[in-house]
Amino acid sequence: DIQMTQSPSSLSASVGDTVTITCRASQAISSHLNWYQQKPGEAPKVLIFSASSLQTGVPSRFRGSGSGTYFTLSISGLQPEDFATYYCQQSHNTPRTFGGGTKVDIK
Amino acid sequence: VQLRESGPGLLEPSQTLSLTCSVSGGSITSGGHFWSWLRQHPGKGLEWIGYISYSGNSYYNPSLRSRVSISRDTSKNQFSLTLTSVTAADTAVYYCAGSGAADFDYWGQGTLVAVSS
Repeated sequence: DIQMTQSPSSLSASVGDTVTITCRASQAISSHLNWYQQKPGEAPKVLIFSASSLQTGVPSRFRGSGSGTYFTLSISGLQPEDFATYYCQQSHNTPRTFGGGTKVDIK
Repeated sequence: VQLRESGPGLLEPSQTLSLTCSVSGGSITSGGHFWSWLRQHPGKGLEWIGYISYSGNSYYNPSLRSRVSISRDTSKNQFSLTLTSVTAADTAVYYCAGSGAADFDYWGQGTLVAVSS
């Protein structure tokens, strides 16, 4: 199985801040990496697919980058609705695996 | 595309978990797409259980392969999860999801399944 490791596991930030979440894969996965946002009591929502492509309807303040084994999700100008948990997920092979999540909360 | 899970919310240990996902706004036989089950233990991260493809092929997480099966009813545009011999460790919110640009573009609302005697 491909292990996905996210860091940090949690962070505190203020509205307007820029935050970056990293995701490392245990082996090279090309650009087969997706990012999801999950709010309490809700299903996850896809933000970024193929490492850097913005899903339709997702604000441009979300940016994904990386390839191989190292990926990042950046959120510039945090908005109140962005406080949530973020997961990376590899789609390179089965079993599909997720990172452990990064909880972004209000400082 | 909208998905909705249905099934019992409470099971006893050793019973079989059976959930159905009803899909609307898209066909589960539409080329190139696959339909997944995932779960999330209370307060934990996401675990992929398996998927069934548009052509009917199924793939499972090796960690659950001995107990899980995913099937479909194309006439009802539904796909189903069966998990045998459940224990308390199977208590989780179960989601069905469909692929699009990403593996899991479309999600059901999730259904909590508790295993308790």
